[in-house]
Amino acid sequence: AQKITQTQPGMFVQEKEAVTLDCTYDTSDPSYGLFWYKQPSSGEMIFLIYQGSYDQQNATEGRYSLNFQKARKSANLVISASQLGDSAMYFCAMRLKAAGNKLTFGGGTRVLVKP
Amino acid sequence: SQTIHQWPATLVQPVGSPLSLECTVEGTSNPNLYWYRQAAGRGLQLLFYSVGIGQISSEVPQNLSASRPQDRQFILSSKKLLLSDSGFYLCAWRRGGTSLSTDTQYFGPGTRLTVL
Repeated sequence: AQKITQTQPGMFVQEKEAVTLDCTYDTSDPSYGLFWYKQPSSGEMIFLIYQGSYDQQNATEGRYSLNFQKARKSANLVISASQLGDSAMYFCAMRLKAAGNKLTFGGGTRVLVKP
Repeated sequence: SQTIHQWPATLVQPVGSPLSLECTVEGTSNPNLYWYRQAAGRGLQLLFYSVGIGQISSEVPQNLSASRPQDRQFILSSKKLLLSDSGFYLCAWRRGGTSLSTDTQYFGPGTRLTVL
């Protein structure tokens, strides 16, 4: 069965610094997608960035970039130039084509940006 | 553009009472729809998903049920709530008609349910 793991329950980061959130996954399916979502205290889940298993380059979206290391089965999220508004829970998720394209979520990492 | 609505935003219900949470999507047709539950401080657990009207798949056994009476409406129900049903319920949609793994799921604002 597919599994996705976020080993950092929480972390502090200084404003304007970069932070890396870890995500590892386990699947034997060659076709999958990896997603990162942000969940602020309001509860909404905000889509941040996507990486496909066949993508040759790491995904980037503004201050968000995904460090995709396929051989290591990791898809770490890098947030550059952290802002106070980045304080939130961050979830990594994986969708497998073979599993009906359902999303499986990691346990999340809470990020607190310090001024 | 597409939008997804959920109501109510918050709900406090006694144990044993019925439940009905509603989710509607605008701006798209034949979406795939999903219900998730999130316990406090935890990740999301998929409860149900639907690829079309009347088509419901259940992921975990529980006292909840789901229905899709219209293309863009997804309802989560219970006949008798349990204390363990407390949590944050999120509805999500994804573009239907494709099996590609690239399509993103977009989430609604959620319903915070407290069962006392």
